[in-house]
Amino acid sequence: NAGVTQTPKFQVLKTGQSMTLQCAQDMNHNSMYWYRQDPGMGLRLIYYSASEGTTDKGEVPNGYNVSRLNKREFSLRLESAAPSQTSVYFCASSEVAGPYGYTFGSGTRLTVV
Amino acid sequence: RKEVEQDPGPFNVPEGATVAFNCTYSNSASQSFFWYRQDCRKEPKLLMSVYSSGNEDGRFTAQLNRASQYISLLIRDSKLSDSATYLCAVNSHSGNTPLVFGKGTRLSVIA
Repeated sequence: NAGVTQTPKFQVLKTGQSMTLQCAQDMNHNSMYWYRQDPGMGLRLIYYSASEGTTDKGEVPNGYNVSRLNKREFSLRLESAAPSQTSVYFCASSEVAGPYGYTFGSGTRLTVV
Repeated sequence: RKEVEQDPGPFNVPEGATVAFNCTYSNSASQSFFWYRQDCRKEPKLLMSVYSSGNEDGRFTAQLNRASQYISLLIRDSKLSDSATYLCAVNSHSGNTPLVFGKGTRLSVIA
């Protein structure tokens, strides 16, 4: 089915390890987003890419980097994982940034020990 | 004041009840408004957009009050399957800026 695919679904990291979360969409959307969701904090924007070739910081970018590899793919990298980055990470996409509903991937549950 | 605020609930209602949630937003320039549904341990899914004139989709009605800067979601004839967390989302600034989400309101419909 068309949509947003995230990998991996689950991951456990040790403090200081690095990893990349992958996201791909097949809806020909221009804009893509990375959010994290923590209990009591709701969804918070980490980074977004309004269009291929652009990326911008969101509300909580520290400790993360992103790459918009092409129109379909938008990856999120943790260079040196910290326990505070334990969270559920959602990738989303939309036709253009802002005034359109988003389609979310199924999420990556990350635990940093 | 936070950009987007919701009553976290939980709202516990019997089957068949009518329940309403509000969501307030702080930026009067906001242009786009949405309601999402999120089931436990799942991703948010778009429930409905909120239009200036209000809109209805079956048992669900969404309304926008620009003067008081809030949106609402009304669910009539609640079903057990409506149990979920409902997130509001607002395009917090004019132009093409990302959505800001509320923390969600949890609804439990009880038999």
